Amino acid sequence: DTEVTQTPKHLVMGMTNKKSLKCEQHMGHRAMYWYKQKAKKPPELMFVYSYEKLSINESVPSRFSPECPNSSLLNLHLHALQPEDSALYLCASSPKRHEKLFFGSGTQLSVL
Amino acid sequence: SQQGEEDPQALSIQEGENATMNCSYKTSINNLQWYRQNSGRGLVHLILIRSNEREKHSGRLRVTLDTSKKSSSLLITASRAADTASYFCATDLNYGGATNKLIFGTGTLLAVQP
Repeated sequence: DTEVTQTPKHLVMGMTNKKSLKCEQHMGHRAMYWYKQKAKKPPELMFVYSYEKLSINESVPSRFSPECPNSSLLNLHLHALQPEDSALYLCASSPKRHEKLFFGSGTQLSVL
Repeated sequence: SQQGEEDPQALSIQEGENATMNCSYKTSINNLQWYRQNSGRGLVHLILIRSNEREKHSGRLRVTLDTSKKSSSLLITASRAADTASYFCATDLNYGGATNKLIFGTGTLLAVQP
């Protein structure tokens, strides 16, 4: 299994909602990532987990809360988002930090 | 900005032609990687070249790295319509140890006309 699975594929939420994005991989990768991508822009790094510990937080607002419950799962909890947070959220994993990332197909998030 | 700059921003070629895209970056790197993204989908890793390497091949892909000029190029030979996608370089910026991070360049949108 060489896939990174993200759910849901699409999400529409209001600014007062709480929702979670989920990411799963069964490749035994110990590095996992969240990236945010706006239309026609490159992916921007948000968080890096290494061996289930948060190692990089790119000054992401606290309304985004990552969680790594185990080596296969990565969640991104969303609360009180703003319309400008609408974007494609990409999860990735890699066998070695920052090398040969495997990406999921993303969650397209719209905040109303 | 830490990210790499790619040029051209957009490239349109005919099937069978070669496509070359370039990436420039600003700081010391451990490696440079190229990824492809089809519209609205996740990225796919294509090739990785380390800072002590100058050239690498993978199928129809050829990557070069010039660390003195802080630049890399990706050549796709004998292009196909299925190669139509956005291509991003990504640099593993060398801050030392745990603070290294992978930063994506601005991307090149390649259109291959059948």
